[in-house]
Amino acid sequence: GEDVEQSLFLSVREGDSSVINCTYTDSSSTYLYWYKQEPGAGLQLLTYIFSNMDMKQDQRLTVLLNKKDKHLSLRIADTQTGDSAIYFCAESPGGYQKVTFGIGTKLQVIP
Amino acid sequence: DADVTQTPRNRITKTGKRIMLECSQTKGHDRMYWYRQDPGLGLRLIYYSFDVKDINKGEISDGYSVSRQAQAKFSLSLESAIPNQTALYFCATSEQQGAYNEQFFGPGTRLTVL
Repeated sequence: GEDVEQSLFLSVREGDSSVINCTYTDSSSTYLYWYKQEPGAGLQLLTYIFSNMDMKQDQRLTVLLNKKDKHLSLRIADTQTGDSAIYFCAESPGGYQKVTFGIGTKLQVIP
Repeated sequence: DADVTQTPRNRITKTGKRIMLECSQTKGHDRMYWYRQDPGLGLRLIYYSFDVKDINKGEISDGYSVSRQAQAKFSLSLESAIPNQTALYFCATSEQQGAYNEQFFGPGTRLTVL
């Protein structure tokens, strides 16, 4: 079945860049997503990338996709304390299918 | 107003009790999902429904049941709660546009089973 893996924890200093990594197993993944969960809240979509793209940039966020290695990363430039949250990687194959989530990476930003 | 609401937001109950968690949405989406979140285990799918007449088991459906009362309502029941069902429960909705499947989450229900 589908599997999405990510590390549990990342700690960075305010102003530095954060890189959160994810690997997935489903070669039919069509869209890959990054969700953000702030304390006490549900998940919210942060950004996504279509599988025929290698990179997507959106302000401070850069998503890199290596489809050959099934590796996805999220880079947050100039990390702020407000970026402290849990970040979930997720993938969905094409067609009438559900989304598979990773376990989430907790990002701690040290002032 | 929130697009996906969950009630209650917090619940403490005892082993063996029947519990219902409710989810309502105003997004007009056909698809609804129930997940539970546990530390170190992430988000796991309990049940999902792609329309009012469609109910499917997720990866951890044992001990749970669901009812899709209307397009806007999807409830999760624990017939006889046990302590390892203590978790944070999320309802989500989506409207698939081609292969794109963004999910919209409610605020969660924190359930404690003593």
